[in-house]
Amino acid sequence: DVKVTQSSRYLVKRTGEKVFLECVQDMDHENMFWYRQDPGLGLRLIYFSYDVKMKEKGDIPEGYSVSREKKERFSLILESASTNQTSMYLCASTRPANTEAFFGQGTRLTVV
Amino acid sequence: SQQGEEDPQALSIQEGENATMNCSYKTSINNLQWYRQNSGRGLVHLILIRSNEREKHSGRLRVTLDTSKKSSSLLITASRAADTASYFCATDPGSNYKLTFGKGTLLTVNP
Repeated sequence: DVKVTQSSRYLVKRTGEKVFLECVQDMDHENMFWYRQDPGLGLRLIYFSYDVKMKEKGDIPEGYSVSREKKERFSLILESASTNQTSMYLCASTRPANTEAFFGQGTRLTVV
Repeated sequence: SQQGEEDPQALSIQEGENATMNCSYKTSINNLQWYRQNSGRGLVHLILIRSNEREKHSGRLRVTLDTSKKSSSLLITASRAADTASYFCATDPGSNYKLTFGKGTLLTVNP
């Protein structure tokens, strides 16, 4: 059974903290993505990576960075968390042809 | 900016009825995909249609694609209460690996 696993289901952090969201996939996929999902706004792409150590900005990269040191792991970093980053974060992976994305269960982050 | 836009935003029907959702997009695509999301969970892939295809079926799902109008529709036939979920279209432009999603349609199927 293929899997994308996000490190936490729920997370509460304080304003100004550095936050790491981890995502691991076991399908040897080249592409990995981080999205945030907010009511009425759907899924918005934050960053994606098509290879180890490669990263590309999505539509809303401000306030975020990413790291991909190994093929199976893609980390999203909030350098200094703010309340407007309270959201559901979804990680996904695909093969190069983007034929089917597999999603993690999501991390609901609350910044207080 | 988001590539796909689903319409309607919300749809409420009775069990047994058909549900139709639409997706419009802005730029050329390699393929278009539909996903389902149960409340508070990750998305699950339903069906993919390539840019050179016009129609595709999978069980109770039927997807059409009109590249001249840059639009797609998802039809769920004989809906069930268990089909209650949000449905998203996603587009792959084929050139830059970017997979972008729309805002989704919330489907409610009443028993």
